[in-house]
Amino acid sequence: EAQVTQNPRYLITVTGKKLTVTCSQNMNHEYMSWYRQDPGLGLRQIYYSMNVEVTDKGDVPEGYKVSRKEKRNFPLILESPSPNQTSLYFCASSFINTGELFFGEGSRLTVL
Amino acid sequence: KQEVTQIPAALSVPEGENLVLNCSFTDSAIYNLQWFRQDPGKGLTSLLLIQSSQREQTSGRLNASLDKSSGRSTLYIAASQPGDSATYLCAVDGGGNKLTFGTGTQLKVEL
Repeated sequence: EAQVTQNPRYLITVTGKKLTVTCSQNMNHEYMSWYRQDPGLGLRQIYYSMNVEVTDKGDVPEGYKVSRKEKRNFPLILESPSPNQTSLYFCASSFINTGELFFGEGSRLTVL
Repeated sequence: KQEVTQIPAALSVPEGENLVLNCSFTDSAIYNLQWFRQDPGKGLTSLLLIQSSQREQTSGRLNASLDKSSGRSTLYIAASQPGDSATYLCAVDGGGNKLTFGTGTQLKVEL
């Protein structure tokens, strides 16, 4: 089954404790992206990647890191989480030529 | 900077009604526009993608139109059903697969 898988789905952590949210897709998509969704603000792009070893900042990259060492994986790293990073995070992927985005189920992160 | 607006923010209709959801964007230089559906606690599911050269796309009871010159898109849902209840989001691709999302219209279809 074609899918985008995120883990963990739910996480409660404390300020400053490094964490990684993993994202994996099995559709051989070149493009992968991370979004955060906040009430009243909609989805905002954090980082995206057009292919292996190619990453770029989105609209709200501060406080986040990503890597793209393999085509299927695109982890989101929060080196020192803060309460303002409490949000619902989505990973998405697509073929570059079609643009149709496939989303993961989301990861709800709470930073205390 | 591209801005995408969806009005209304919420809509409630009786089952069987035809309805139209609206999406407007400020920069007409777009590559494509997508409509998504989001169920509570779930990710987004792509419904329709309209390339900038197209005027409309259809899938089952759904029809999406695009008017780049006026910066508008509509999603038409025919014969609405309770299972159509969800939040509908539109997103505009301004190039490089960089999408700008609207904040969505929360639809409730009542029996």
